[in-house]
Amino acid sequence: GDSVTQMEGPVTLSEEAFLTINCTYTATGYPSLFWYVQYPGEGLQLLLKATKADDKGSNKGFEATYRKETTSFHLEKGSVQVSDSAVYFCALRDAGGTSYGKLTFGQGTILTVHP
Amino acid sequence: SAVISQKPSRDICQRGTSLTIQCQVDSQVTMMFWYRQQPGQSLTLIATANQGSEATYESGFVIDKFPISRPNLTFSTLTVSNMSPEDSSIYLCSVGWSGGASDTQYFGPGTRLTVL
Repeated sequence: GDSVTQMEGPVTLSEEAFLTINCTYTATGYPSLFWYVQYPGEGLQLLLKATKADDKGSNKGFEATYRKETTSFHLEKGSVQVSDSAVYFCALRDAGGTSYGKLTFGQGTILTVHP
Repeated sequence: SAVISQKPSRDICQRGTSLTIQCQVDSQVTMMFWYRQQPGQSLTLIATANQGSEATYESGFVIDKFPISRPNLTFSTLTVSNMSPEDSSIYLCSVGWSGGASDTQYFGPGTRLTVL
């Protein structure tokens, strides 16, 4: 079945550092890929997405590129801020079949940014 | 996008009781889902709520434990039955649209359940 693997956390960075959170996936067909963010005490918010190979999703300075050849969707940001401290989830949406619409999530990566 | 509300936002319940969680969306949606997020864990899909028919449950989840209703295109309920401390989790409703250009799911704020 489908699966998503994220780099283990927690990740601790200083403000203005470069961020990479690795995400790889296993899926049949051509899934859509997502990054969701969960700020402390809040619900899940969509951060960015990509729906086909070589697409780049971007939002709030974060970027991720859909790499079919390496089955990856790594999240990057050039300069993190304290306000980026949150839990980040990589997810995929199956392209079809009996689980149409189902999101499969990675285990989440806790990011803490210090001033 | 969609604005999703859940009730209650949190609750503390006694073992053996049941709790019904409501999910309301501000627009008609094709698909509604219920997820569970156990403490410190990722999200796991419980079931897909189908309008006018029985929900479709994922492996490991059964209707007797998690009965779901979806009477229309904007509302669904999830009941956690005969609760035990292992059911302490955040329960999230999400919505989406099948087909078309958007395949994004939007999540409600969640219901934080503690079972004593």
